[in-house]
Amino acid sequence: DAMVIQNPRYQVTQFGKPVTLSCSQTLNHNVMYWYQQKSSQAPKLLVHYYDKDFNNEADTPDNFQSRRPNTSFCFLDIRSPGLGDAAMYLCASGIQGDQPQHFGDGTRLSIL
Amino acid sequence: QKEVEQNSGPLSVPEGAIASLNCTYSDRGSQSFFWYRQYSGKSPELIMSIYSNGDKEDGRFTAQLNKASQYVSLLIRDSQPSDSATYLCAVRESGANSKLTFGKGITLSVRP
Repeated sequence: DAMVIQNPRYQVTQFGKPVTLSCSQTLNHNVMYWYQQKSSQAPKLLVHYYDKDFNNEADTPDNFQSRRPNTSFCFLDIRSPGLGDAAMYLCASGIQGDQPQHFGDGTRLSIL
Repeated sequence: QKEVEQNSGPLSVPEGAIASLNCTYSDRGSQSFFWYRQYSGKSPELIMSIYSNGDKEDGRFTAQLNKASQYVSLLIRDSQPSDSATYLCAVRESGANSKLTFGKGITLSVRP
């Protein structure tokens, strides 16, 4: 089945140790998104790619970087995770226009 | 700042009742509206999308949109315990490369 796949489901890292979260999609969507969601809060858009064009939200810290080597894959790099970065990270894909976004199962990140 | 507001929760209804979830948005130019269901610890799952004024029905779910009042709602008929989840309202911003703005969500509990 076509879908959005995130790996790993759970990630534990140490304070300040770089970590990379992975996402792939088989939907052939041209837009991919990374959201951060903390408990009882709305998903917060961090970055998104429209094809190869990278778009950073104005309030996304420089600590968050992203790479999209091809249509199917997108990575979120957290260069120096702090305790405040512990959250669920959601990857989504979509098509520019009115169509909805489709989410992966998320990666729950814990910081020791 | 474009905002999406959802009624403060949680909402509790008995099994078999109608659950009514409401959402207002600030961007008058918004054209696309979505309801996502999110179970605890899981990622959002699309359940309804609506683009024009009026009602849209899909099984036990009905989405209602009133662009003049900037209001979108979700009705769940014959509520089941399996409907217990957080429901996120999402609005696509107007403009090119438009993004989704999510509300904080409302937690629904269906009592057996």
